Amino acid sequence: QSVLTQPPSASGTPGQRVTISCSGSSSNIGTNYVYWYQQFPGTAPKLLIYRNNQRPSGVPDRFSGSKSGTSASLAISGLRSEDEADYYCAAWDDSLSGRVFGGGTKLTVL
Amino acid sequence: EVQLVESGGTLVQPGGSLRLSCAASGFTSSSYWMSWVRQAPGKGLEWVANIKQDGSEKYYVDSVKGRFTISRDNAKNSLYLQMNSLRAEDTAVYYCEAGGNGMDVWGQGTMVTVSS
Repeated sequence: QSVLTQPPSASGTPGQRVTISCSGSSSNIGTNYVYWYQQFPGTAPKLLIYRNNQRPSGVPDRFSGSKSGTSASLAISGLRSEDEADYYCAAWDDSLSGRVFGGGTKLTVL
Repeated sequence: EVQLVESGGTLVQPGGSLRLSCAASGFTSSSYWMSWVRQAPGKGLEWVANIKQDGSEKYYVDSVKGRFTISRDNAKNSLYLQMNSLRAEDTAVYYCEAGGNGMDVWGQGTMVTVSS
């Protein structure tokens, strides 16, 4: 049972816009930054979004992040087949004094 | 090239010990917080521990407190994880990570299998 809650799966067709949610609490998302990672099978995760809505250099602007209260979302617009991967949200948790991840969302491009 | 390379993963018996290493190159790792994150087979990511730039602050997930110790040697651009009293549930790929302010580097991971 992960501290941050994500849907286990999401799907969309090429060109579509998809959003992945991440629900937390006042001790994590409510007071700290949210990060999003993309992971392909057998490879290390890659940072997609930091500080709620900032994109690292090289990440396409098709990826965007938002946060409201104790929830956050990752949006992917203009969906492509190469976006098929697992996506994880993460945040620092003040109550646990540790970093927490969501359980991950497997994105399928139909 | 900016990279992190982990080493030290292997098969170990329950109750045993292991030390993982992570070597940084292509960037100044001493400028960043560094972490260990693990992923059990077929499961999601789990943060294990992290350490401040100068080693003055360290944090651990509850399940490894008292058993694992994170450390770093900035002169050698290296991060370590000493793992004692290993359990079957510690079986995972262990990644090291360095980052902050949008900079984020991950290693390729090293597999730790705890089994008799």
